[in-house]
Amino acid sequence: DTEVTQTPKHLVMGMTNKKSLKCEQHMGHRAMYWYKQKAKKPPELMFVYSYEKLSINESVPSRFSPECPNSSLLNLHLHALQPEDSALYLCASSQDVAGNYGYTFGSGTRLTVV
Amino acid sequence: AQRVTQPEKLLSVFKGAPVELKCNYSYSGSPELFWYVQYSRQRLQLLLRHISRESIKGFTADLNKGETSFHLKKPSALVSDSALYFCAVRDWVGGANNLFFGTGTRLTVIP
Repeated sequence: DTEVTQTPKHLVMGMTNKKSLKCEQHMGHRAMYWYKQKAKKPPELMFVYSYEKLSINESVPSRFSPECPNSSLLNLHLHALQPEDSALYLCASSQDVAGNYGYTFGSGTRLTVV
Repeated sequence: AQRVTQPEKLLSVFKGAPVELKCNYSYSGSPELFWYVQYSRQRLQLLLRHISRESIKGFTADLNKGETSFHLKKPSALVSDSALYFCAVRDWVGGANNLFFGTGTRLTVIP
């Protein structure tokens, strides 16, 4: 398995809802990432997990809450989001925490907040 | 902090023409640079890394430290090369690495 799998592919949620995005990889990668990508913009880093520990939180609002239950799974819990949070949320992983071999990206979850 | 600049948002070339996508970086040490590509309706994927000095799908990119550039080149473009291309630089921040992406260049190859 050489892929990063993200579910769901599409999600529509209200501003009072609680939902979770899921990411899974079975490549033995030790670092996993959440990125946010708005239309026609580059991906922007949200969270980095190295060896299942949160290393970077790029000043992301607390309505986004990451979780790394084990080395293969990464979740992003969403609560009380705003319409401007609508975007493509990308999960990625890298073989080593230094990222020397590049990142493997999932296909993303397209989130719409209404 | 490391950053990359892609000066062209859009680039159109005819099939068979050479193509060059520009990327300039700012970094005080030895940068680790990458090119990523996003084809329509597909996931973002690694195209090549400067440290491997490889050629993927006919594309090459040479790190020019004097000009702080990492331009992506292909001698003869294919229609299937049409995609969004991101230059990215790796930085070590807060005890972990991060990829900083440029704003991207959308390449359209005209049949």
